[in-house]
Amino acid sequence: KQEVTQIPAALSVPEGENLVLNCSFTDSAIYNLQWFRQDPGKGLTSLLLIQSSQREQTSGRLNASLDKSSGRSTLYIAASQPGDSATYLCAGYSGNTPLVFGKGTRLSVIA
Amino acid sequence: KAGVTQTPRYLIKTRGQQVTLSCSPISGHRSVSWYQQTPGQGLQFLFEYFSETQRNKGNFPGRFSGRQFSNSRSEMNVSTLELGDSALYLCASSPEPGQVYEQYFGPGTRLTVT
Repeated sequence: KQEVTQIPAALSVPEGENLVLNCSFTDSAIYNLQWFRQDPGKGLTSLLLIQSSQREQTSGRLNASLDKSSGRSTLYIAASQPGDSATYLCAGYSGNTPLVFGKGTRLSVIA
Repeated sequence: KAGVTQTPRYLIKTRGQQVTLSCSPISGHRSVSWYQQTPGQGLQFLFEYFSETQRNKGNFPGRFSGRQFSNSRSEMNVSTLELGDSALYLCASSPEPGQVYEQYFGPGTRLTVT
């Protein structure tokens, strides 16, 4: 059974800093891993989807990597801005179970 | 292209009542999944529909049910509401079944049970 963990639960950084959010999963037979952003009280916005055959994906200031052997994914945010403040969730799909979400990392970028 | 829409956005119900939530997927998407989000449990999978058929169901009691129409729109129903059903209910759509494809989420329906 797939389990997804995100540490830390909360993170506060000054504006302009580069940062890394971590996501770990237990089932290495993962089909894909998706990163989402959620603003308070809102739905989820898809940021990046990494298929199992890929090692990383990039979109603007965001870069996500996937290492199946270690059961880890990271989301790298370059030159953070106050507008990046949100909760970031990762979710893994293993094919035999529906999408499994981590509890998220709440990011605060301080101006 | 319009995104996933959910109605209503907010609902207040009392214990014992029932509620129906609606989700319209992105045009051309045929798979709809539903999730419940609470502060304590996070996001939990409820069910997935494709071609009007339930493909997968999460670990929720039978009070939670759903259906999908021929135009891919989906509804979920919760009967005999309990206080613990208070949550943000999110639906997601994708072109094909399973979660191999990128999932696009709607804004959610905030349900409060008093």
